Amino acid sequence: QQQVKQSPQSLIVQKGGISIINCAYENTAFDYFPWYQQFPGKGPALLIAIRPDVSEKKEGRFTISFNKSAKQFSLHIMDSQPGDSATYFCAARAPAGKSTFGDGTTLTVKP
Amino acid sequence: GAVVSQHPSWVICKSGTSVKIECRSLDFQATTMFWYRQFPKQSLMLMATSNEGSKATYEQGVEKDKFLINHASLTLSTLTVTSAHPEDSSFYICSARLKGPGTQYFGPGTRLLVL
Repeated sequence: QQQVKQSPQSLIVQKGGISIINCAYENTAFDYFPWYQQFPGKGPALLIAIRPDVSEKKEGRFTISFNKSAKQFSLHIMDSQPGDSATYFCAARAPAGKSTFGDGTTLTVKP
Repeated sequence: GAVVSQHPSWVICKSGTSVKIECRSLDFQATTMFWYRQFPKQSLMLMATSNEGSKATYEQGVEKDKFLINHASLTLSTLTVTSAHPEDSSFYICSARLKGPGTQYFGPGTRLLVL
């Protein structure tokens, strides 16, 4: 049973456009939802994270939208740049538990 | 802050040998460290969770006698792949979790190639 479903699997966006990646979870005990960015041959890097007591969190061009009732959260990358081309993973974690990761989204931003 | 290092970054070894990978949290104390394995174009597969001073908890299907984990201190965990075989070739990534907020930070990964 996959606890975190991520979509789309791949995404192509023009430079300057908005990239949107969605995740849905099932376990209502999850209380921490991070997004990670991974470049080829590198480890994942924490990009932004949110807790369910807020509906949105913005850091620069990156925004997480969180819908607790729908058990969904999404990553929005505004003004997407070629340097944003990477694989993005959402994750969800219960208190003091281990993280469950989505399958990843490969983002390509075309110049 | 919150830097996690791994050593070596890549290693090539002969089949049957053992390989040790170190994971260090450089500027914080990690209550818990995680070891992941990642195949090309796939997600992170959790292998085991280790807490300082206690035995690691392995995920189902991961051989604990093959993948030895030692969490010697709050800043160091090691993964030893014993009697490595070509099918063990993969990208191994460690992660360390901060006390308190529990933010998880990843190391840069170790590429293992077993010939």
